Amino acid sequence: EIVLTQSPGTLSLSPGERATLSCRASQSISSSYLAWYHQKPGQAPRLLIYGASSRATGIPDRFSGSGSGTDFTLTISRLEPEDFAVYYCQQYDSSRRLTFGGGTKVEIK
Amino acid sequence: EVQLVESGGGLVQPGGSLRLSCAASGFTVSSNYMNWVRQAPGKGLEWVSVIYSGGSTYYADYVKGRFTVSRDNSKNTLYLQMNSLRAEDTAVYYCARGEKYYMDVWGKGTTVTVSS
Repeated sequence: EIVLTQSPGTLSLSPGERATLSCRASQSISSSYLAWYHQKPGQAPRLLIYGASSRATGIPDRFSGSGSGTDFTLTISRLEPEDFAVYYCQQYDSSRRLTFGGGTKVEIK
Repeated sequence: EVQLVESGGGLVQPGGSLRLSCAASGFTVSSNYMNWVRQAPGKGLEWVSVIYSGGSTYYADYVKGRFTVSRDNSKNTLYLQMNSLRAEDTAVYYCARGEKYYMDVWGKGTTVTVSS
């Protein structure tokens, strides 16, 4: 079973700053299999990035994803007030199951 | 409009059963793979199960043997039958449409509380 580890657990930043979130897999995975979501309090998760680097429909270009193998990164170039939320990475594995990372909370400093 | 609406959550005693429903609109459930994902209070997302368009089903180890995912094509609805419920199954349960290797449409969730 592939385990996804996200870091840091919490990121305290100010609006306008750059956020860099990490997702590390316990073994190498295809970039096609890596996605990112964010979730605001009381809401369902929303897809941000799929295939490690492709933005989902309607997602602004301040969000970008990168990485390969075991190390993946979500970058928010300039934080807007609505970006303060919890972010999850997710992978699909060859056993046709999905798993999530533990999440990174981006909070207002 | 593509939409998913979950229902069927509630309070149930340990050892009890509950069936969740997820009604889809704007697309055909049987043409996509459909997932259940849960979130315990104050915790992260946890994948629960999937049913593929061909009918294959898969489960996370912590629900295997207790939960069953199914669909009714005539009602365009996904189900999750949950038996032998435990306190640790308490969570908001979301259904989500699968697209390739990710989930692109999510419902708002239904809350399941397992408590005596």
